[in-house]
Amino acid sequence: GAGVSQTPSNKVTEKGKYVELRCDPISGHTALYWYRQSLGQGPEFLIYFQGTGAADDSGLPNDRFFAVRPEGSVSTLKIQRTERGDSAVYLCASSISNTGELFFGEGSRLTVL
Amino acid sequence: AQTVTQSQPEMSVQEAETVTLSCTYDTSESDYYLFWYKQPPSRQMILVIRQEAYKQQNATENRFSVNFQKAAKSFSLKISDSQLGDAAMYFCAYWPNFGNEKLTFGTGTRLTIIP
Repeated sequence: GAGVSQTPSNKVTEKGKYVELRCDPISGHTALYWYRQSLGQGPEFLIYFQGTGAADDSGLPNDRFFAVRPEGSVSTLKIQRTERGDSAVYLCASSISNTGELFFGEGSRLTVL
Repeated sequence: AQTVTQSQPEMSVQEAETVTLSCTYDTSESDYYLFWYKQPPSRQMILVIRQEAYKQQNATENRFSVNFQKAAKSFSLKISDSQLGDAAMYFCAYWPNFGNEKLTFGTGTRLTIIP
């Protein structure tokens, strides 16, 4: 597709379960970002990939959160032992330049009951 | 660390009128980029306008323009001839030109357009 695609659009899970969120960036974009947006807040940085490697994972809140991008394209954000506080919209963005012009997907809304 | 502050949680404007959204930021860098992003109810963040810190001229994109005051670390967005489709959350964001390649966002301003 032409834009950044995120699946699922919505995910409801129970506390303690494992969740995977997928991001398919714009073709050719080498940089990929994950952000988390809580209700009424601005997006908060989680992790940034340049190619296959995580260039900056300083925003991951704890070791329950992990992200991969094995072939330098699709990325998966993995959350183990989900907690109610993990409920948020998880945004993915990709970029071809290093000037902050990011192209965002529509996000995955995660609800942990 | 860089911080971005948007002190107006909500703003409203009459259709066809002009509105200005405020943003201040804090950085010790001299070279950086500033952005305004728009997030409609569909959740997809869209770039509205970009300003490079080393350029003194204020950026303009059709009905959208900025007032960039580098010394004051202020970066406001002016929307002229407001349209119903402008209703959205607006986020100010900072990007350092060297290293630490990630956007830092403010908390956003919800803009309502009154028909």
